[in-house]
Amino acid sequence: AQSVTQLDSHVSVSEGTPVLLRCNYSSSYSPSLFWYVQHPNKGLQLLLKYTSAATLVKGINGFEAEFKKSETSFHLTKPSAHMSDAAEYFCVVSDRDTGGFKTIFGAGTRLFVKA
Amino acid sequence: NAGVTQTPKFQVLKTGQSMTLQCAQDMNHEYMSWYRQDPGMGLRLIHYSVGAGITDQGEVPNGYNVSRSTTEDFPLRLLSAAPSQTSVYFCASSTSRGTFFGQGTRLTVV
Repeated sequence: AQSVTQLDSHVSVSEGTPVLLRCNYSSSYSPSLFWYVQHPNKGLQLLLKYTSAATLVKGINGFEAEFKKSETSFHLTKPSAHMSDAAEYFCVVSDRDTGGFKTIFGAGTRLFVKA
Repeated sequence: NAGVTQTPKFQVLKTGQSMTLQCAQDMNHEYMSWYRQDPGMGLRLIHYSVGAGITDQGEVPNGYNVSRSTTEDFPLRLLSAAPSQTSVYFCASSTSRGTFFGQGTRLTVV
């Protein structure tokens, strides 16, 4: 069965410093992994996805994530935070399941960016 | 393509009332799902469907019904609304390449 654990419920960084949002997953098959962002009172937007191609995935707005199978991790990073990055971030795993496939969301990490 | 269309955007219900949240997608995706989002809880799966005529329960199915008579539509029904169902609801349509979300419905049950 699949599961997703986002290791931090809140992360606070200063503008211009690196961002690290941590995600661990478990999966029985070969999962697809995603990061979504949700700004306050907005819908969900896809940041990036891993679907068994290159392990280092680049997304929008300077974000990237590295799939590490040995560590079952898919951490999201950005070299330099911007005020507009303040939002909630969700790590997601999609994998085959009985009768089809299932998508599971992590609990979310709220990113605060200080001026 | 419209993607995932979810209606209404806002709704206030009285305890005990019923209503249906509508969801339609035009991408011919087999997999559709409903989530509720509550503060500090992330998105929790209510029900999902892997194709027309097939539905299954997610993590928090109690108080909700779904049906999937066509590939395009996946409505969520609240038969007797309760204050605990106050939440933001997202419909989603997925393939292995990603999940597309509706804009959400903010439901308040008073």
